Amino acid sequence: DGGITQSPKYLFRKEGQNVTLSCEQNLNHDAMYWYRQDPGQGLRLIYYSQIVNDFQKGDIAEGYSVSREKKESFPLTVTSAQKNPTAFYLCASSMAQLSNQPQHFGDGTRLSIL
Amino acid sequence: QQPVQSPQAVILREGEDAVINCSSSKALYSVHWYRQKHGEAPVFLMILLKGGEQKGHDKISASFNEKKQQSSLYLTASQLSYSGTYFCGTYNNDMRFGAGTRLTVKP
Repeated sequence: DGGITQSPKYLFRKEGQNVTLSCEQNLNHDAMYWYRQDPGQGLRLIYYSQIVNDFQKGDIAEGYSVSREKKESFPLTVTSAQKNPTAFYLCASSMAQLSNQPQHFGDGTRLSIL
Repeated sequence: QQPVQSPQAVILREGEDAVINCSSSKALYSVHWYRQKHGEAPVFLMILLKGGEQKGHDKISASFNEKKQQSSLYLTASQLSYSGTYFCGTYNNDMRFGAGTRLTVKP
């Protein structure tokens, strides 16, 4: 079955540590996205990528980094510069970044500070 | 800019109807609606494209007024399975999601 796989489901970060969240899709989608979800604030866009080796900052990119070396993979690194990383992180993909393309979401990674 | 959703929360009894609104300050090409159960991934419901269309399946439908940059989601004869948080996503040059409306359906 095609879909998006995020791992791990739960992740704990120590102070000063970088952590990487994995996102893999086998839907053959060109566009991929990372969102942060905090209670009462909906989904806020961190980064998105429309094509391999290219990505753009979203609304809250500070303290995060991404790479897109393969079409199916879009890992997100939460760096030590992100002072409040505790949140639910969702990865999504769509066939293209167009107005008529729905986004398909992974099951998310819940990140907490130790 | 994130679209504005209203209400923030609504509680229904089974069989009652609800309307969730989504508005944007920007001109829109489309509006997307998603539902998220607690701790799960959002699930796509429908897309409404520029042109003022109305769509629906089963007892969930939606309208899109592009002149007012507004969309409404209509849930008719609600079922327990409708409980969750509903998000609208508005597309201008890229997608932005609203803060969500928490819908609780009680027996």
